[in-house]
Amino acid sequence: AQKITQTQPGMFVQEKEAVTLDCTYDTSDQSYGLFWYKQPSSGEMIFLIYQGSYDEQNATEGRYSLNFQKARKSANLVISASQLGDSAMYFCAMSPNTGFQKLVFGTGTRLLVSP
Amino acid sequence: EAQVTQNPRYLITVTGKKLTVTCSQNMNHEYMSWYRQDPGLGLRQIYYSMNVEVTDKGDVPEGYKVSRKEKRNFPLILESPSPNQTSLYFCASSPGPREQYFGPGTRLTVT
Repeated sequence: AQKITQTQPGMFVQEKEAVTLDCTYDTSDQSYGLFWYKQPSSGEMIFLIYQGSYDEQNATEGRYSLNFQKARKSANLVISASQLGDSAMYFCAMSPNTGFQKLVFGTGTRLLVSP
Repeated sequence: EAQVTQNPRYLITVTGKKLTVTCSQNMNHEYMSWYRQDPGLGLRQIYYSMNVEVTDKGDVPEGYKVSRKEKRNFPLILESPSPNQTSLYFCASSPGPREQYFGPGTRLTVT
């Protein structure tokens, strides 16, 4: 079975600084996908970034990058130059890369960006 | 506009009264799914569908039913709701394994 662990219930960062949100995963699959989602206080789930297990380069999307360390089974999200609008819950998730069938989520990290 | 819609957005009901939460997507996606979100537990998958008439259980299917008669619609049915089904529900659709589009969520309270 797949499992996602996010050990940081809450994180604080000052505006314009970088922050890393931790995510470790457990799976026996050889092929899988890793995701990060943002959930602002308004409640919607916003897709941020995706990393395939066979992708050799770390994924990047604007200010978001995914620090993928396959041997350590970690997929940390790095947000550069934090903005006040980054304050939200962040969820790490994984799925079998063969399909969308099952997305397993972590319990989330609440990020607060201060001025 | 490409989107996933859910209705209703908010619902308060009583134990045992059957209800349906609708989900519709206009992106012609094959894959659709339902999740529930509870504090401290993240999102957990209830049911998913890989195509019309093809559905399967996720991690927490007890007390729920789904149907997929048309590609665009994937309603979630609670035949006899109970208070432990009070939660925030999300529908999602996907064209493949790399992207998922979530609906705005439905906050359900069962008293």
